[in-house]
Amino acid sequence: GAVVSQHPSRVICKSGTSVKIECRSLDFQATTMFWYRQFPKQSLMLMATSNEGSKATYEQGVEKDKFLINHASLTLSTLTVTSAHPEDSSFYICSARDVPGGARGYTFGSGTRLTVV
Amino acid sequence: AQSVTQLGSHVSVSEGALVLLRCNYSSSVPPYLFWYVQYPNQGLQLLLKYTSAATLVKGINGFEAEFKKSETSFHLTKPSAHMSDAAEYFCAVSYPGGATNKLIFGTGTLLAVQP
Repeated sequence: GAVVSQHPSRVICKSGTSVKIECRSLDFQATTMFWYRQFPKQSLMLMATSNEGSKATYEQGVEKDKFLINHASLTLSTLTVTSAHPEDSSFYICSARDVPGGARGYTFGSGTRLTVV
Repeated sequence: AQSVTQLGSHVSVSEGALVLLRCNYSSSVPPYLFWYVQYPNQGLQLLLKYTSAATLVKGINGFEAEFKKSETSFHLTKPSAHMSDAAEYFCAVSYPGGATNKLIFGTGTLLAVQP
């Protein structure tokens, strides 16, 4: 089945530094990548959607200059949290699909626990 | 606008008892519906999905869900709970067609299974 590898699984960084999270589709081409944020005991909040080779579309209220998304290839998308602050601490999850539109399943990465100290 | 509501943020059942997790959707067109399970500090695993074919959908680990258009519901059931079913469950909806089909998630239901 489709697999999305997300790294790192956990990261601790100092306030003011930047952190990059990678998601790779291992056995399919990820035409579209979704990035979610999940606070403890809460649901997933969609941050942005990116199509390979295009600029990401950010959801309302998400700072695009703070959360940089790159989807330069069909197998790799990255989320960079720039100038991280403690309030950015959260669980970040990516999700990929290979076919735009339709009813194909979404494959999720295993998530990244970001802690900003 | 489409949305999904999960009634009951916490559900507790005894091992061997019926599991029923509720999900209702709001959409102007028939949506695609999904149930996912999440274990602590992990990503989401697809349990099952409805894509306008059979209304009774069977998924992994003995779960199934029935799409009821008249009730705008897609409740998740399992006849007999196992301890390993304890996890967070999310119902999600997407809009057919379009270039991106983003998933919209419900608020989740934490299932506890008592021995």
